[in-house]
Amino acid sequence: DQQVKQNSPSLSVQEGRISILNCDYTNSMFDYFLWYKKYPAEGPTFLISISSIKDKNEDGRFTVFLNKSAKHLSLHIVPSQPGDSAVYFCAASAVMGNQFYFGTGTSLTVIP
Amino acid sequence: EADIYQTPRYLVIGTGKKITLECSQTMGHDKMYWYQQDPGMELHLIHYSYGVNSTEKGDLSSESTVSRIRTEHFPLTLESARPSHTSQYLCASSPFFRANVLTFGAGSRLTVL
Repeated sequence: DQQVKQNSPSLSVQEGRISILNCDYTNSMFDYFLWYKKYPAEGPTFLISISSIKDKNEDGRFTVFLNKSAKHLSLHIVPSQPGDSAVYFCAASAVMGNQFYFGTGTSLTVIP
Repeated sequence: EADIYQTPRYLVIGTGKKITLECSQTMGHDKMYWYQQDPGMELHLIHYSYGVNSTEKGDLSSESTVSRIRTEHFPLTLESARPSHTSQYLCASSPFFRANVLTFGAGSRLTVL
């Protein structure tokens, strides 16, 4: 059973607007969440993370929000740029350093 | 500037062949992982290692085997490849004390005919 879900396989956004990518999880033991970005023919690269003691983490144009009660996190990219076009994976882990569980990814297209 | 290298990047082979996917990292990371990903699907952990001579199976059952004789090297072997093994295989590593960030290689895309 999938423990991390990304229900939107794709998203298209105009350049300069906000991109919001969503992720839901089912395991209440998860305490660390990450977003990875993947270009075609490359491996995923780490983008931003958040631990369960926070509800927001910001890094430049990227902000991750965590709603523990809803078991939901989201990644906001603002302003979106064409170079942000990629597949974004949400991942979660329980207990520091243990296994990571990944979602199926959301393909973001930023239209110039 | 990749610090984790996977070879081959692409491989097309016939059924029954033995193959080894290589993975090497230059970061001195203790932990290494193999993930398998099919298009549109999540990454599934198939093997991981916490250090030399340590190997464990992941959540997804796999007929592949791994070894960890050196810290920097974590090869994956399929003794007899089948079409069901067609997939992308991603190697990753992380340091022991900051293990929540994985660094991935570029992946090996395997096609078994």
